[in-house]
Order: sequence, then C-alpha cells, then structure tokens
Amino acid sequence: DAGVIQSPRHEVTEMGQEVTLRCKPISGHNSLFWYRQTMMRGLELLIYFNNNVPIDDSGMPEDRFSAKMPNASFSTLKIQPSEPRDSAVYFCASSFQGSNEQYFGPGTRLTVT
Amino acid sequence: KQEVTQIPAALSVPEGENLVLNCSFTDSAIYNLQWFRQDPGKGLTSLLLIQSSQREQTSGRLNASLDKSSGRSTLYIAASQPGDSATYLCAVRNDYKLSFGAGTTVTVRA
Repeated sequence: DAGVIQSPRHEVTEMGQEVTLRCKPISGHNSLFWYRQTMMRGLELLIYFNNNVPIDDSGMPEDRFSAKMPNASFSTLKIQPSEPRDSAVYFCASSFQGSNEQYFGPGTRLTVT
Repeated sequence: KQEVTQIPAALSVPEGENLVLNCSFTDSAIYNLQWFRQDPGKGLTSLLLIQSSQREQTSGRLNASLDKSSGRSTLYIAASQPGDSATYLCAVRNDYKLSFGAGTTVTVRA
C-alpha cells in the first residue's frame, strides 16, 4: 500500500495567491482529516470528512480556507487568498471507520511570502 | 476541550540509556491514545496505539502504558540508540478527534 499521498510536498507562494493542497487517502479508508502544524500551535485538526461528507469544519481558521472531497480517493484544501500567517505544514490523514488508527501523509510545507 | 501536555519538552541522553516520556490529558473519556514519532521535516509515524480498555502496549523496545483514570500515559524506550533521536508526539482520541501534545524532542548521543 502506498500510504496517504500528498502533493505538492513543498509550496512557496506570494501573499494573495490561491493555494491548493491535494490528498489521496489510503484505499478503503472512509475517513479523512486535514491538520495544520505550526511551532506556535502544534498540530490542529482543520476538517474531518466521513464518507466524503464534511462532518466537522470547526477548525478551519476562516473563510479563506475551504476543503472538498469529491470522491473517496481525493481531497483538496484550498486557501484563497493566502497570507504569510498561513505558512505551516499541512497534513492529511485517513482511517477506516471503526479501526481508530489514523495514518498520516508526509505533509505539504507551505510558505507564503 | 481536551488538553494534552507532554513533559519534558526536550531530552538528551547517552546511547544505551532508557527513555521515559510522559503525556497527560484532561478528559479521561477517551477512545484510545496514540504515540507518534516525527523526524525533522517529515510526517508522523505511528508507534503504538492503546485502546481505552488496555493498560499497556508493547512493540520491540517500545512500551506504552495508559492510566485513563488519572489521565496519564508513559512511553518507555529501552536501550536507546542514536536512531531514536526524533520528536515524539502523544495524541488522544475523543470520538473522531485526535488532540496532540506539543511533543518531546529526544536526542540520543553516541
């Protein structure tokens, strides 16, 4: 199994630009999570999907952030417009409902200048 | 809201010494607790998962204990090696939510 796949691994963009992060969960997993990791706040849950439906988006910082899961094998996290304070590592994780264990992708390191 | 604390924040030991990493949490109504390892610039690797009904879990040189009533978990790493140098994160699950501690950064000196 290839594990959770994220792209790009690194993204550098200028303030005001749109950024799209991508995630492919492990095949057969029906739960998907987006996290953000910063030095100041550690790892925080942004949004949780179950069976492609957003269940909890209370961690999404503001309206500039949006996430979609059009099918069981793909999800995107979009920031528009991006700001320097969005610089962080964004992780995607997936799990099989009832299995409990979450498997993390390698992360996307985002730098907004 | 679940609060997870890890002590110490950093630890440096000589090779061969046993490591003891501590994790505490405020809400004992957990489903499970997971220990992760994170290498610099890398993702998270799951080390051990302890279900709420379990007291401990072992994998090779790693042993994790859980005392749900007191809100504590301890990760023991026996006979540490330089390759064990990394940040270790504790995460507690309530329903679907994982709440993470800030981590303990471990350095094992050769």
